[in-house]
Amino acid sequence: EVQLVESGGGLVQPGGSLKVSCGASGFTFSGFGIHWVRQASGKGLEWVGRIRSKTNNYATAYAASMKGRFTISRDDSKNTAYLQMNSLKIEDTAVYYCSRHNGYSTSPFDFWGQGTLVAVSA
Amino acid sequence: SYVLTQPPSVSVAPGKTAWITCGGRNIGSKTVHWFQKKPGQAPVLVIFYDTDRPSGIPERFSGSNSGNTATLTISRVEAGDEADYYCQVWDSDSDHPVFGGGTKLTVL
Repeated sequence: EVQLVESGGGLVQPGGSLKVSCGASGFTFSGFGIHWVRQASGKGLEWVGRIRSKTNNYATAYAASMKGRFTISRDDSKNTAYLQMNSLKIEDTAVYYCSRHNGYSTSPFDFWGQGTLVAVSA
Repeated sequence: SYVLTQPPSVSVAPGKTAWITCGGRNIGSKTVHWFQKKPGQAPVLVIFYDTDRPSGIPERFSGSNSGNTATLTISRVEAGDEADYYCQVWDSDSDHPVFGGGTKLTVL
């Protein structure tokens, strides 16, 4: 059974940092890209960024509002992807989801994690 | 960047049909996916590649895509279908996915 489990969310002050994880099981993690998508309370789904597979050189990309502040990485030996968030702003408060993607642009996000809540507040 | 427009809300009586639209410039030339999102739960893929249903998704869910509008159709709506629905495409210019703003489906 394919599973993605996010962890590491919590309360952080504005300007602070937090690293959340996405643990995978039930599929060949190394063969998939991982995307992060967030949802603020009462708002829609917002793409955060992605990391591609080793075959695609672990290429990363980010939404404009996160570029320079967020970094996505992965450790295929641990079947885990990470989202490092720095210089956090109050508007970054959201539930952060990870999803797998096979790398073909037209392919769907077929499995998602349950999400981890990141709250940025003084 | 590419913009997807969805109506904020759609209401339907049980047993009736709900149509949720997703507008975008020449969206018919793109591949559209639809997700169901319930509070506190992960998004669930309900339609992919415009018209395909993942295993486990009822046949009541169907999709179409042509011109400037993609549509998610839910037939014989049930109370359990009440959720937010999001369309998604890949923006080739920016090389990243784009989501519509979401539509809240209310079952009366």
